[in-house]
Amino acid sequence: AQSVAQPEDQVNVAEGNPLTVKCTYSVSGNPYLFWYVQYPNRGLQFLLKYITGDNLVKGSYGFEAEFNKSQTSFHLKKPSALVSDSALYFCAVRPLSGSARQLTFGSGTQLTVLP
Amino acid sequence: GAVVSQHPSRVICKSGTSVKIECRSLDFQATTMFWYRQFPKKSLMLMATSNEGSKATYEQGVEKDKFLINHASLTLSTLTVTSAHPEDSSFYICSASSTAPVTDTQYFGPGTRLTVL
Repeated sequence: AQSVAQPEDQVNVAEGNPLTVKCTYSVSGNPYLFWYVQYPNRGLQFLLKYITGDNLVKGSYGFEAEFNKSQTSFHLKKPSALVSDSALYFCAVRPLSGSARQLTFGSGTQLTVLP
Repeated sequence: GAVVSQHPSRVICKSGTSVKIECRSLDFQATTMFWYRQFPKKSLMLMATSNEGSKATYEQGVEKDKFLINHASLTLSTLTVTSAHPEDSSFYICSASSTAPVTDTQYFGPGTRLTVL
């Protein structure tokens, strides 16, 4: 069975500093990886995804994520955090050869950017 | 592109009544729509998957007679919570998937907060 681990429930970072939100996964075959962001009382917004190709994926709002096959990780990063980045972030995975229904979410990481 | 709307955004109802939530893909045709439930500070739990014109596929433990799903067109799916009870209070989120603009990515609606008194 596939799974996603977001080891940190909460990440605090000062505005202007780089941020990292961690994600590791387990899936049969090649992974199809996603990051979503959720603001309070809102649905999830798609940030970026990895299918194949370059291990560094660039997404919305200046976010990027690095796929590391040997470490089965897909950490989300941003060089300079903004207060407006404060939100709940979800990593998700499904088998590349599977269906969208098989998308599995991590437990979420609450990011707080301090002014 | 890839905008999904939900209506209503918030609903309060009495125990025993039924509530219908609509999910629409506004600028693309959604071959598949998904319904999730999210508890406070928790991840999303997939309830069911619906394909246009066919019966929904429910996840294990989800009562199909309680959570009725209809996917009548390529832009609309509805979730009806029948005979709602306080334990059904939750945040319900739909998503839609299509081959365009980005292959097979799920795009999420803004969610519906259901409170059953």
